[in-house]
Amino acid sequence: DAGITQSPRHKVTETGTPVTLRCHQTENHRYMYWYRQDPGHGLRLIHYSYGVKDTDKGEVSDGYSVSRSKTEDFLLTLESATSSQTSVYFCAISDIQGLNSPLHFGNGTRLTVT
Amino acid sequence: GENVEQHPSTLSVQEGDSAVIKCTYSDSASNYFPWYKQELGKRPQLIIDIRSNVGEKKDQRIAVTLNKTAKHFSLHITETQPEDSAVYFCAAQKGDNYGQNFVFGPGTRLSVLP
Repeated sequence: DAGITQSPRHKVTETGTPVTLRCHQTENHRYMYWYRQDPGHGLRLIHYSYGVKDTDKGEVSDGYSVSRSKTEDFLLTLESATSSQTSVYFCAISDIQGLNSPLHFGNGTRLTVT
Repeated sequence: GENVEQHPSTLSVQEGDSAVIKCTYSDSASNYFPWYKQELGKRPQLIIDIRSNVGEKKDQRIAVTLNKTAKHFSLHITETQPEDSAVYFCAAQKGDNYGQNFVFGPGTRLSVLP
């Protein structure tokens, strides 16, 4: 299994508070992603990174920001959490070395915004 | 942009029967199609993938077929077992965008009845 660690695994927070989720990889892969998973919507891309300090938006990026200061760490921040951001968040990585490399997912973070 | 549809949304089969899940994609430039299995409370895991230069790929009881002309690809599971019960996601990706354009289908919940 790919070495991907997400923290925390579970979090409950109040509306309006900032929240940061962390993804740490030990595979030295270039690409890292944040997805959210909601019933009926599958996996939707929030942000991704193609290198240190290189990030871009996905299809559901509003209300989220990311940072990548080291190859191994990719942080997702909810500046002011809302109830609509209650979801399961998955980090994923892929290896640019192989054409069409698959995504490998972390174990997820279940976030509840009350 | 790419859009991936997946059918059926739920599927129940008797143990030992076959299961087929079908996905269609909209962007003819997509050239990589992975399938993921997600058990309850766990992360999505890659089970099989196919590239656009191949029409079919098999791995034991699992096979994937690709019809580029019709822009659809299917997952076939033979001799189903209770441990095959899970949610299955298909995805499509354009290889020239190196990793950032995975688009997922909404998922199929497969139940294998003993």
